[in-house]
Amino acid sequence: AQTVTQSQPEMSVQEAETVTLSCTYDTSESDYYLFWYKQPPSRQMILVIRQEAYKQQNATENRFSVNFQKAAKSFSLKISDSQLGDAAMYFCAYRPLGSEKLVFGKGTKLTVNP
Amino acid sequence: GAVVSQHPSWVICKSGTSVKIECRSLDFQATTMFWYRQFPKQSLMLMATSNEGSKATYEQGVEKDKFLINHASLTLSTLTVTSAHPEDSSFYICSARAPGLLTDTQYFGPGTRLTVL
Repeated sequence: AQTVTQSQPEMSVQEAETVTLSCTYDTSESDYYLFWYKQPPSRQMILVIRQEAYKQQNATENRFSVNFQKAAKSFSLKISDSQLGDAAMYFCAYRPLGSEKLVFGKGTKLTVNP
Repeated sequence: GAVVSQHPSWVICKSGTSVKIECRSLDFQATTMFWYRQFPKQSLMLMATSNEGSKATYEQGVEKDKFLINHASLTLSTLTVTSAHPEDSSFYICSARAPGLLTDTQYFGPGTRLTVL
């Protein structure tokens, strides 16, 4: 079964600093998608970044970037210049090509300290 | 673009009554919608996949007679919790996926908090 593991239940970072959230996954598929979603206190799930497994280049969205290591099945999220508004639960998710289902990790709660 | 709404945002009901939650895609047509349940401080658990014009596909362990899903149009899916009990109290989230709009991405609604007394 495909699983997604987020080994850090909680993380904290100082405002303006950089933080990296870890995610590993287990799959036998070669083609799939990976996502990071943010869930702030409002509970609205927001797509942060997505990565196609066939692309070697790491995805980047402004202050958010990923380190995708396909062989290691690792998909970490780096948040640069952290802002107070980045405080939220962050969920890593996996979806194999040909399936509509997202498999979520258990989440990492990020606290940003002023 | 890709906005998904849910209504109501929160609802309190008495045990034994039924509650309907609506999920709408506002600016795109969603051929597939998904319903999740989230307990406090936990991840999202997929309940069912809803395809327009066909029966929903339920995940293992989800009672299809208790959680009725209808996807009558390309912009609306509904989840009805029938004969609700306190253990059904939870946060319910829908998401939608659209062809031609980053088809590999699900866009989420803001969720509905259900409290059953």
